[in-house]
Amino acid sequence: GENVEQHPSTLSVQEGDSAVIKCTYSDSASNYFPWYKQELGKRPQLIIDIRSNVGEKKDQRIAVTLNKTAKHFSLHITETQPEDSAVYFCAASKAPTGNQFYFGTGTSLTVIP
Amino acid sequence: GAVVSQHPSRVICKSGTSVKIECRSLDFQATTMFWYRQFPKQSLMLMATSNEGSKATYEQGVEKDKFLINHASLTLSTLTVTSAHPEDSSFYICSAGQPPNEKLFFGSGTQLSVL
Repeated sequence: GENVEQHPSTLSVQEGDSAVIKCTYSDSASNYFPWYKQELGKRPQLIIDIRSNVGEKKDQRIAVTLNKTAKHFSLHITETQPEDSAVYFCAASKAPTGNQFYFGTGTSLTVIP
Repeated sequence: GAVVSQHPSRVICKSGTSVKIECRSLDFQATTMFWYRQFPKQSLMLMATSNEGSKATYEQGVEKDKFLINHASLTLSTLTVTSAHPEDSSFYICSAGQPPNEKLFFGSGTQLSVL
């Protein structure tokens, strides 16, 4: 099956700095890679996703890059703000709907004001 | 995004009782829903895949007689924790994939505390 590894487990940055979270996956057939943000006691929220036919995707301060050859993808948050503090999870899946999503172990991001 | 509703959000029960958790897709039909368990500061552990009209698929190590899953319609899946014990205390969360673009959306989770 798929194995998704995520690093680092914890990350602290100063407000305004950038944060980068990295994930690797093992199954070359995985083709959909979402990122979720989870605040304490709340549901994970989809913040950005990328498909295997795309190398990079950006949405305002958030971007995701994918290297299919190396089987790794990364989340980049620029100009971090205190409200970005949360746990972030990466995931890998083989589309279409109905297939399992395999989650990374999570990164606890703290943005220091 | 799509809306997945989960109830109750919090339940406290006595040891030995059963607890039912509902997961509904409000604005789309979901042939497949997923149930996860999450311990504090840990990742989402997939428990089972709920398939509408057929038996759920359980992950290795998850007792299917302990965690009963029913997916009777395209918008509702239920998880029943039978004869709950303190070690079953956890955050349970469901999710559903929205066709046709397979984006996964989560319910709000249920914090189960077994006394």
